[in-house]
Amino acid sequence: NAGVMQNPRHLVRRRGQEARLRCSPMKGHSHVYWYRQLPEEGLKFMVYLQKENIIDESGMPKERFSAEFPKEGPSILRIQQVVRGDSAAYFCASSPISGRGTGELFFGEGSRLTVL
Amino acid sequence: QQQVKQSPQSLIVQKGGISIINCAYENTAFDYFPWYQQFPGKGPALLIAIRPDVSEKKEGRFTISFNKSAKQFSLHIMDSQPGDSATYFCAAHGSSNTGKLIFGQGTTLQVKP
Repeated sequence: NAGVMQNPRHLVRRRGQEARLRCSPMKGHSHVYWYRQLPEEGLKFMVYLQKENIIDESGMPKERFSAEFPKEGPSILRIQQVVRGDSAAYFCASSPISGRGTGELFFGEGSRLTVL
Repeated sequence: QQQVKQSPQSLIVQKGGISIINCAYENTAFDYFPWYQQFPGKGPALLIAIRPDVSEKKEGRFTISFNKSAKQFSLHIMDSQPGDSATYFCAAHGSSNTGKLIFGQGTTLQVKP
């Protein structure tokens, strides 16, 4: 499967625990985006990364959230000390190129986080 | 200025009817307007997209109408089918140096047989 791979698909955490969501972009794609989807809401941009660089993190909450895209391996979205309000679907998307409206974003099937 | 407003929130259409979803934006620097389709439990997938230098784009039963002066664009689904039942998101490309998309709130479409 050459699509965007996200895991885990479902994750349950208790308040105060850490959640790690992983994303492997499509083959040949070096641009990764993370979006959050709350129930009955649209997709909210969180962060845009290229290999080893955070390009735009304007949508990331100031605390507890971090993201990385190392030279080797998947991109990781990390949520520390989760709270119930973090319960959502987190989608990763990748694209082969960037720039002014030049590329389609290819989405994974999402990771659904439930905080008890 | 970075918002994209989408309506209606939900839509019910009879099979064979026309589904119309509308979006509006404020930022005149937006330069790419895609529509994404999402089925339950799945990720969004690109359906059709338009750039502001054209007023209409048609792909099969799906048409985007774009009104640059009004800063509005809409998705028309002709001959709607039960298989079209999904959530539809409009979006806009919001920055000159990234591929980041700004999404509307989504429209849940139900096509009744």
